Amino acid sequence: DAKTTQPNSMESNEEEPVHLPCNHSTISGTDYIHWYRQLPSQGPEYVIHGLTSNVNNRMASLAIAEDRKSSTLILHRATLRDAAVYYCILRGGNAGNMLTFGGGTRLMVKP
Amino acid sequence: DARVTQTPRHKVTEMGQEVTMRCQPILGHNTVFWYRQTMMQGLELLAYFRNRAPLDDSGMPKDRFSAEMPDATLATLKIQPSEPRDSAVYFCASGLVEGWQPQHFGDGTRLSIL
Repeated sequence: DAKTTQPNSMESNEEEPVHLPCNHSTISGTDYIHWYRQLPSQGPEYVIHGLTSNVNNRMASLAIAEDRKSSTLILHRATLRDAAVYYCILRGGNAGNMLTFGGGTRLMVKP
Repeated sequence: DARVTQTPRHKVTEMGQEVTMRCQPILGHNTVFWYRQTMMQGLELLAYFRNRAPLDDSGMPKDRFSAEMPDATLATLKIQPSEPRDSAVYFCASGLVEGWQPQHFGDGTRLSIL
């Protein structure tokens, strides 16, 4: 199984940037790195994905290490609505088409 | 925005009763997934369909759970007979088959078996 490792929890202040790390040392060349988040009482929500290059979208940025063994999800200005559990998941290629959720990182945002 | 629709949102029933959960995937999506979430186990994949054919249901207890896609607009997950340990939130997700395509999740069915 292609696995990821994330810190259990992180804290941030509102309107400050947040960097959520993820290690995936067993990633294969065809695995995409996906990030999802789950707000309280909701289903998981897609945030961003990447393969080799850094990616930006309206929700976040994804920075991928050159060796692809780690990545960082960047929220540029955290808001209280960003408080959620963030999951880093490998998909496609050797990881298969399913999403295998680990424990994720619980992000707490302080006003 | 198109959404995955799950019904019912909440279900409370007694042990031994049959439970049916329904999911309407987003039109045009060719993959459907069922997940279960509990505090102890987190999010677990139960079943995976591609073009309505079951590809992987290894995460599902076969003796009491069954998953089907009678047509492209409906996926069902049944539990018969239900047990208290089946209490959980059940999520359906749909997407396209390519590995970079995101999965879109419904709001879930919160199931309580008394």
